[in-house]
Amino acid sequence: DAKTTQPTSMDCAEGRAANLPCNHSTISGNEYVYWYRQIHSQGPQYIIHGLKNNETNEMASLIITEDRKSSTLILPHATLRDTAVYYCIVRERKLTFGQGTILTVHP
Amino acid sequence: SQTIHQWPATLVQPVGSPLSLECTVEGTSNPNLYWYRQAAGRGLQLLFYSVGIGQISSEVPQNLSASRPQDRQFILSSKKLLLSDSGFYLCAWTVSSQRRSNEQFFGPGTRLTVL
Repeated sequence: DAKTTQPTSMDCAEGRAANLPCNHSTISGNEYVYWYRQIHSQGPQYIIHGLKNNETNEMASLIITEDRKSSTLILPHATLRDTAVYYCIVRERKLTFGQGTILTVHP
Repeated sequence: SQTIHQWPATLVQPVGSPLSLECTVEGTSNPNLYWYRQAAGRGLQLLFYSVGIGQISSEVPQNLSASRPQDRQFILSSKKLLLSDSGFYLCAWTVSSQRRSNEQFFGPGTRLTVL
């Protein structure tokens, strides 16, 4: 599985968009990009995934660059409950979690 | 709908004691099952995964073992716990498929403290 690089932490004001970047320069053609988040003391929660095209669901949007070497998770209107560790994962068959980005949403 | 259960939620065990954590999935058949561990302040580490009854793959050498006695039951065990076994243990499942675009669903986790 390809390795991902994410910033260690980010801050966002409540109500504003949170844009979380992820680099995956060694991604192969068959690997999907997944995003999960983990709120303290809970199991990871699936957010969104994509292969080539941009994706949107009720939780977030995923923007994947044309060369697929990086992606951005967008939470359009962050709330305090979105404070969590966000994991970007490039998956072949099983998930490999890195350190993730600690997103703190403040009032 | 599918549900994944883990128990116990928390566990405090002395060093050298045995361990048995159980995970069961409802509402699906022949799932792929996974055990992860998260040490304090660390990312999730995949320990074992299983694609069917009796089929276990180990990702890292360690003091733990896993078994899958039934289709929707996954058990994590140890004969003698070490201090380094402390952590947050998560069970997860996916639909068994050749497709790679399958979401992985996680259980509530078991927080193990070895003293």
